[in-house]
Amino acid sequence: AQSVTQLDSQVPVFEEAPVELRCNYSSSVSVYLFWYVQYPNQGLQLLLKYLSGSTLVKGINGFEAEFNKSQTSFHLRKPSVHISDTAEYFCAVSSGESNFGNEKLTFGTGTRLTIIP
Amino acid sequence: NAGVTQTPKFQVLKTGQSMTLQCAQDMNHEYMSWYRQDPGMGLRLIHYSVGAGITDQGEVPNGYNVSRSTTEDFPLRLLSAAPSQTSVYFCASSTGYRGTGELFFGEGSRLTVL
Repeated sequence: AQSVTQLDSQVPVFEEAPVELRCNYSSSVSVYLFWYVQYPNQGLQLLLKYLSGSTLVKGINGFEAEFNKSQTSFHLRKPSVHISDTAEYFCAVSSGESNFGNEKLTFGTGTRLTIIP
Repeated sequence: NAGVTQTPKFQVLKTGQSMTLQCAQDMNHEYMSWYRQDPGMGLRLIHYSVGAGITDQGEVPNGYNVSRSTTEDFPLRLLSAAPSQTSVYFCASSTGYRGTGELFFGEGSRLTVL
């Protein structure tokens, strides 16, 4: 079974400051990793994903994440945040070993990012 | 480009009533799923389908039924609503076989059970 831990439920950050949202996972098999963003009263949309290859993954809106297999982490970073980044961010994991089943994502509990003007 | 469409967006039910949340996608995706989102608990998988005529249970299936008669539609039925089913429900779809697992979400259906 796989699981995802997002230790920070809320993260307040001043505008133009850097931010890191933490995500740790546990899985007995190789994994695919995702970060999704949910703006107020909207559905989730994909921010970035790690499938294989380079451990540094770049996504939309200037976000990036680094896959660290030894630490089983997939932390999300942005060097300078904007008011528009205020949202809830979800880390998710799926098994990367089967032709089917990759879509059964296990989500973390989410981190609410609040940007302070 | 509609993507994943959910109806209704808001619904209030009384305990014991039944209803169906509708989900339709126009991307010819094989895989469809329903999640519920509750504060502090993230998203939890209710039911999923890997193709027309095939459904299976997720993490929290009790109290919900699904069917998949077409590729496009995946309705979620609440047979006898309970206050514990007050939640925001999301339908999501994906390409399926040998896909990367990227899910495309609808905008959600907020359900309140009194």
